[in-house]
Amino acid sequence: DADVTQTPRNRITKTGKRIMLECSQTKGHDRMYWYRQDPGLGLRLIYYSFDVKDINKGEISDGYSVSRQAQAKFSLSLESAIPNQTALYFCATDTGMGTEAFFGQGTRLTVV
Amino acid sequence: QKEVEQNSGPLSVPEGAIASLNCTYSDRGSQSFFWYRQYSGKSPELIMSIYSNGDKEDGRFTAQLNKASQYVSLLIRDSQPSDSATYLCAVSSGSARQLTFGSGTQLTVLP
Repeated sequence: DADVTQTPRNRITKTGKRIMLECSQTKGHDRMYWYRQDPGLGLRLIYYSFDVKDINKGEISDGYSVSRQAQAKFSLSLESAIPNQTALYFCATDTGMGTEAFFGQGTRLTVV
Repeated sequence: QKEVEQNSGPLSVPEGAIASLNCTYSDRGSQSFFWYRQYSGKSPELIMSIYSNGDKEDGRFTAQLNKASQYVSLLIRDSQPSDSATYLCAVSSGSARQLTFGSGTQLTVLP
């Protein structure tokens, strides 16, 4: 089983719908992240959490919200999906000790 | 201003050649540096990490770090078509040691 698991892997939704992407990890890391990736734009940070009680906005948080339900779970919600939120979304974790980040398999979201 | 810059590419090299990927960063206090490889539609996977000045070799991959010049590079020797991917540079900096990613360089190795 993957250390960082994202569900669903693929999702097509309609404009205006609320959708939640879920992430769970077995790494035991306190820090978790949500990134969005569009072609040619690299990884852009949406939200991050350094522990269960800590939530921080990233560079592109508008239109998104998150919930840190437990150390191992971090979910991303699109309150009212719009077509330009069509993208590949990644969850990641790290230790906070300057070591590498570990990524989930990604969720391909299409908003029609 | 983006804190981590990569040559945007795309970069094409013939099979067997050396591919050179470059990255500069703005925070002089950055502590840790990483190269990730990402195949299309897949998640990034770590291929190299480097923490001190100089070269670090792992098989066909060599990472080079020059903190004075705020520059980190990745060399891929004997490039193979399977190396064709996007390469992301990531830098850990600040008291929170948060990772910042560059926008990636797309590499194509031509058979």
